Amino acid sequence: NAGVTQTPKFQVLKTGQSMTLQCAQDMNHEYMSWYRQDPGMGLRLIHYSVGAGITDQGEVPNGYNVSRSTTEDFPLRLLSAAPSQTSVYFCASSYSQDNNYGYTFGSGTRLTVV
Amino acid sequence: KNQVEQSPQSLIILEGKNCTLQCNYTVSPFSNLRWYKQDTGRGPVSLTIMTFSENTKSNGRYTATLDADTKQSSLHITASQLSDSASYICVVTSGFNKFYFGSGTKLNVKP
Repeated sequence: NAGVTQTPKFQVLKTGQSMTLQCAQDMNHEYMSWYRQDPGMGLRLIHYSVGAGITDQGEVPNGYNVSRSTTEDFPLRLLSAAPSQTSVYFCASSYSQDNNYGYTFGSGTRLTVV
Repeated sequence: KNQVEQSPQSLIILEGKNCTLQCNYTVSPFSNLRWYKQDTGRGPVSLTIMTFSENTKSNGRYTATLDADTKQSSLHITASQLSDSASYICVVTSGFNKFYFGSGTKLNVKP
């Protein structure tokens, strides 16, 4: 098992550009989610999905879109990048939505918007 | 307001020493509390999970305690090693699927 794979690891964007952060898991997990981690702050939930075809907003969804066409993949799209979106982004997956199973996190994507 | 506060923000200890990290929360209703270890440049990895009825849970040299009455948890690391250098994140689950993350304690173990 590769676990949760995120690509790219690093990315620099210009303000206004769009891009997609990729996340894939091979553990047949139903639940997947995207977080951003900023210095001095806890991980904040952007969007999540409880299964293929089902997505919902988290705490900080503005400026991001997601889709879940397959169980394995959960890409995060930045529509028009802004400097405030400079952050480290983590994708996580789990057997179920509750914390009892624990989450498997990807290694992160460090995004800088200039 | 549901919050998770961790202290200290950062900590430096010598290899071989013990240390204790704190997590205080105001989250309600409470479902469980989990401690994660996050190595630099990596995603968090789960260390322990405790539900309301559990007071102590160990994972090797890591021992987590929970006092649900005072809404406090601690993570005790025994005989620290250089590889323990990381950030430690406390996550409290409320209800079925609401998660509250602490901002973490950055531990630096020096030789």
